[in-house]
Amino acid sequence: GAVVSQHPSRVICKSGTSVKIECRSLDFQATTMFWYRQFPKQSLMLMATSNEGSKATYEQGVEKDKFLINHASLTLSTLTVTSAHPEDSSFYICSARDTHSSGARWETQYFGPGTRLLVL
Amino acid sequence: AQSVSQHNHHVILSEAASLELGCNYSYGGTVNLFWYVQYPGQHLQLLLKYFSGDPLVKGIKGFEAEFIKSKFSFNLRKPSVQWSDTAEYFCAVSQGGKLIFGQGTELSVKP
Repeated sequence: GAVVSQHPSRVICKSGTSVKIECRSLDFQATTMFWYRQFPKQSLMLMATSNEGSKATYEQGVEKDKFLINHASLTLSTLTVTSAHPEDSSFYICSARDTHSSGARWETQYFGPGTRLLVL
Repeated sequence: AQSVSQHNHHVILSEAASLELGCNYSYGGTVNLFWYVQYPGQHLQLLLKYFSGDPLVKGIKGFEAEFIKSKFSFNLRKPSVQWSDTAEYFCAVSQGGKLIFGQGTELSVKP
C-alpha cells in the first residue's frame, strides 16, 4: 500500500520549453502532496506544498511563476517547470500524505520514484 | 527554525560490521522523527519512524533507532550490515506538517 508514482521518470528538453511532471497516489487519497528537488549527493529541498483544490504554498526562494503546481484531484498533483533553463536540471521528487491517516501518522509522507530533468 | 544534522557524510563498512548513523535536530519541542533510505536508482523508502512511546523504535530490515530527547538525537543502528544495505540514508524531522531532511549519509558496505 501507499504507492506514489511519477511520470515521466526522465525527460530531456531544450532550453525555453516547459515540462510537466505528474505525481499520483495510486492506492490512497492525498489532500496534500509535496514537491522536492534533490541535487546530486545532496539532501531533498522542499519546494512547495500542494493542496487539493487550493493554491500551493511555496518555500522561500522558490519562484512560483517558474514552478507551477496544480492539485486538481485527491490523487494527482502536477509540477510544470516553465521556460526551463539548464540550471533547472535536477531530480524532482514528489511525496504524498494519506488523507485518511489520523494523529501523528498523518505526518508520514510516501515518496515517488522521482523525475530526472535535463535541460539542454 | 528546525534543522537536522547528520554528521557522517560517507560511511564505509565491511559486511557484518555494526552500524550507527548519527542524527541530531535543533528544535526542542514535540517532534516526529523519521529515517528514510534511498537505494541506488530507487525512490525513498521509510525505514522507521518515531511519534511517541517507547524511544527505541524498530524498523524494517533489522534497523532500529533510539530517540534521546535530552540529546536531541535519533541515531540509526543495525547490529550487522549486509552488502545490500549500501544506500543513502536520510534522517528527517516533521515540523508544521513538513519534513526537514538532514544532509544524508552514504553507506557503502564492502562484501
